[in-house]
Amino acid sequence: SQKIEQNSEALNIQEGKTATLTCNYTNYSPAYLQWYRQDPGRGPVFLLLIRENEKEKRKERLKVTFDTTLKQSLFHITASQPADSATYLCALDVAGGYNKLIFGAGTRLAVHP
Amino acid sequence: DGGITQSPKYLFRKEGQNVTLSCEQNLNHDAMYWYRQDPGQGLRLIYYSQIVNDFQKGDIAEGYSVSREKKESFPLTVTSAQKNPTAFYLCASSIGGDAPGQYFGPGTRLTVT
Repeated sequence: SQKIEQNSEALNIQEGKTATLTCNYTNYSPAYLQWYRQDPGRGPVFLLLIRENEKEKRKERLKVTFDTTLKQSLFHITASQPADSATYLCALDVAGGYNKLIFGAGTRLAVHP
Repeated sequence: DGGITQSPKYLFRKEGQNVTLSCEQNLNHDAMYWYRQDPGQGLRLIYYSQIVNDFQKGDIAEGYSVSREKKESFPLTVTSAQKNPTAFYLCASSIGGDAPGQYFGPGTRLTVT
């Protein structure tokens, strides 16, 4: 069956450290993968997209990797800050690049001062 | 300011009543989407529309209906046939085609008792 898995346990880290979140999927061949941030009671906010032929993408303190052989994406936040505390969702495009997304359940990140 | 608005933020209904959730965008986006989010689960796609006067069922369309008569508007009706309507409903839009990223509204929390 098709699945997208993100670590359901919260990730707790100290301010200044690098947070690494994982997204694994099975039985999909996505054209690209996206990461979103969601704060409690609010809609998700788009952060980054990485295409199937890209290994790595960076934006400021964010870095995403995409390994289509392992069927895994890693999302890194360097020099983390308490303001980075939120739930992070990964989403796969499953319609050949036409922005029809399947979302993972998300991983909650808590950055402690 | 450009963006997506959803109203109301909180909605309470009695079981057996239909209810319509509003979604309006002024981003000039062609594509619009409806998701529901339940605790501990990822966003699940209810309906999506790539262009005015056209829409497709998502993964959990049963008990829901939509219309797309105007580019800016994509209302969702939760009918009495929806067995578990209590949820957080999110509307999103995107440029369409293979352009990345979806822009989300603030969400409507529907409680049916």
